[in-house]
Amino acid sequence: AQKITQTQPGMFVQEKEAVTLDCTYDTSDPSYGLFWYKQPSSGEMIFLIYQGSYDQQNATEGRYSLNFQKARKSANLVISASQLGDSAMYFCAMTTRGSQGNLIFGKGTKLSVKP
Amino acid sequence: GAVVSQHPSWVICKSGTSVKIECRSLDFQATTMFWYRQFPKQSLMLMATSNEGSKATYEQGVEKDKFLINHASLTLSTLTVTSAHPEDSSFYICSAPVPGSVPGSGNTIYFGEGSWLTVV
Repeated sequence: AQKITQTQPGMFVQEKEAVTLDCTYDTSDPSYGLFWYKQPSSGEMIFLIYQGSYDQQNATEGRYSLNFQKARKSANLVISASQLGDSAMYFCAMTTRGSQGNLIFGKGTKLSVKP
Repeated sequence: GAVVSQHPSWVICKSGTSVKIECRSLDFQATTMFWYRQFPKQSLMLMATSNEGSKATYEQGVEKDKFLINHASLTLSTLTVTSAHPEDSSFYICSAPVPGSVPGSGNTIYFGEGSWLTVV
């Protein structure tokens, strides 16, 4: 069975500091993709970063980086230099080659950035 | 870039009535679209897979007669909540993968803006 686990219901971080949001996954499909989305209170799903199972290097997108440890089946999101606007829900998600593009989501982490 | 548009963003309806939510792919043809539901403070849960020209595939526990899905064209999928009840109040959001893309390859799965449904 495919599963995404996010064990941090809520996280606090001081403005301008870095924060790591944890995500572990489980799948038997050797080909998969891991996503992180940001969901503000408006509800929209904002794509942040993607890591493919065969990618050799960790993905980076601006202040976002993904710490991909394949053997541990973890794909933690690192946000550097946190900003007040980063306060939101963050979801880790996975899709596999066997799916048609549907995403399996974790329960999410609510990040609060303190001034 | 590819965009998925969802309408309406907000809808309030009376208990017992039906409400339709539209999901459109604006600059690509979406043979497959997905409908998710998100209850307050919970994660997104897949409700059904919408396939152009064929019947939708529903996840276990989702009533197909209550949540009617129509994917009559390559750019439009609709979700109709029939005989809505207050417990159907939720956030509904659609997504569409870009056809031909490597599954999960980067930003190739697009979400609509979502629809907040309140049944009173």
